[in-house]
Amino acid sequence: AQTVTQSQPEMSVQEAETVTLSCTYDTSESNYYLFWYKQPPSRQMILVIRQEAYKQQNATENRFSVNFQKAAKSFSLKISDSQLGDTAMYFCAFAYSGGGADGLTFGKGTHLIIQP
Amino acid sequence: DSGVTQTPKHLITATGQRVTLRCSPRSGDLSVYWYQQSLDQGLQFLIQYYNGEERAKGNILERFSAQQFPDLHSELNLSSLELGDSALYFCASSVVLGLGTDTQYFGPGTRLTVL
Repeated sequence: AQTVTQSQPEMSVQEAETVTLSCTYDTSESNYYLFWYKQPPSRQMILVIRQEAYKQQNATENRFSVNFQKAAKSFSLKISDSQLGDTAMYFCAFAYSGGGADGLTFGKGTHLIIQP
Repeated sequence: DSGVTQTPKHLITATGQRVTLRCSPRSGDLSVYWYQQSLDQGLQFLIQYYNGEERAKGNILERFSAQQFPDLHSELNLSSLELGDSALYFCASSVVLGLGTDTQYFGPGTRLTVL
């Protein structure tokens, strides 16, 4: 079974700064997907970014980018030019790519606070 | 708005009771997943249905069951409720076209409180 570890329970940065959230995972599989989900105070789970393990290029979505290090089993999220609306819980998640049958394995989350 | 709907938004009930949570997936999505989010257990995968059939099971208790109907909506049934079942229950859906993993889109959740 895979495990996902987020070692930073809480982080706080000033608006407009860049912040990096850490995630490590453990799996014996070679084909998988990694995700970052955001959960604002509304509790809605919102997809931030997705990375396929077979792709060497790091995924990017506007101000959000990842640093995917497959050998190190590391998947960090970088948020550039942080905004007040980025305040939320951020969850790293793993999915085995075995024909679409499986749920996501989540880390315990990082509470990110953007200060004005 | 993800396109996934869940009802009700809130549910308050007593120990020993049974409740049903409902989920409608995004248009075109064939797969439905159920998750439980609690303070002590975090976010846990419970069960997945694909086109009416059970596809994968996670940490789902025997007191819990689910089904997916021909119109693809899904229901999660929780019985003999205990205080520890109080949690936020999410439904997610994805297309699931075959190999690989499609992105799961989450509904707004149902907040269950067991008194």
